[in-house]
Amino acid sequence: GDSVTQMEGPVTLSEEAFLTINCTYTATGYPSLFWYVQYPGEGLQLLLKATKADDKGSNKGFEATYRKETTSFHLEKGSVQVSDSAVYFCALILNTDKLIFGTGTRLQVFP
Amino acid sequence: DADVTQTPRNRITKTGKRIMLECSQTKGHDRMYWYRQDPGLGLRLIYYSFDVKDINKGEISDGYSVSRQAQAKFSLSLESAIPNQTALYFCATSDPDTGYADTQYFGPGTRLTVL
Repeated sequence: GDSVTQMEGPVTLSEEAFLTINCTYTATGYPSLFWYVQYPGEGLQLLLKATKADDKGSNKGFEATYRKETTSFHLEKGSVQVSDSAVYFCALILNTDKLIFGTGTRLQVFP
Repeated sequence: DADVTQTPRNRITKTGKRIMLECSQTKGHDRMYWYRQDPGLGLRLIYYSFDVKDINKGEISDGYSVSRQAQAKFSLSLESAIPNQTALYFCATSDPDTGYADTQYFGPGTRLTVL
């Protein structure tokens, strides 16, 4: 079935370090892809999305490119801040209109 | 005010009790969802509703029921709570007019503990 696999955490970085969180997917069709972020004590909120191959989603310095050939949607940021500490979820949606989430990756950024 | 609200935010109950979690939204969205979040498992869909007259089971509906009282309200019930229903529960909404790639908007969550 359709699924999302993302790297296990926690990912621990120093402030201003480069971030990559890997995400790959399995889907029977052509999904739209999302990254959601969950800050401590809050619900999920959309960080960025891409709807077709080679699209790049970006927001708040984060970027992810929809790679159909590698079925991937890796999240990157050039210089993380302490305020980026959160749990990041990769997700896909197909024609069922239901989001399928990965298991989440916790990011911890230290000063 | 928040667009998607959930009550209560925290609840501790005992095995066998009936529990209702409520979700309200002011976004005017037709679609509403209930998820549970467990450590290491991500979010899993319990029930979803695409309009007031439409209710559908999700991936893990056993032990749960829902009621869509109005466009703005979607309640989740645990008829007889059991300890493995201890989890963080999220309500979400979306707007179908944006097509397949619609964004879901999440409430702040309800932390439920079943003793």
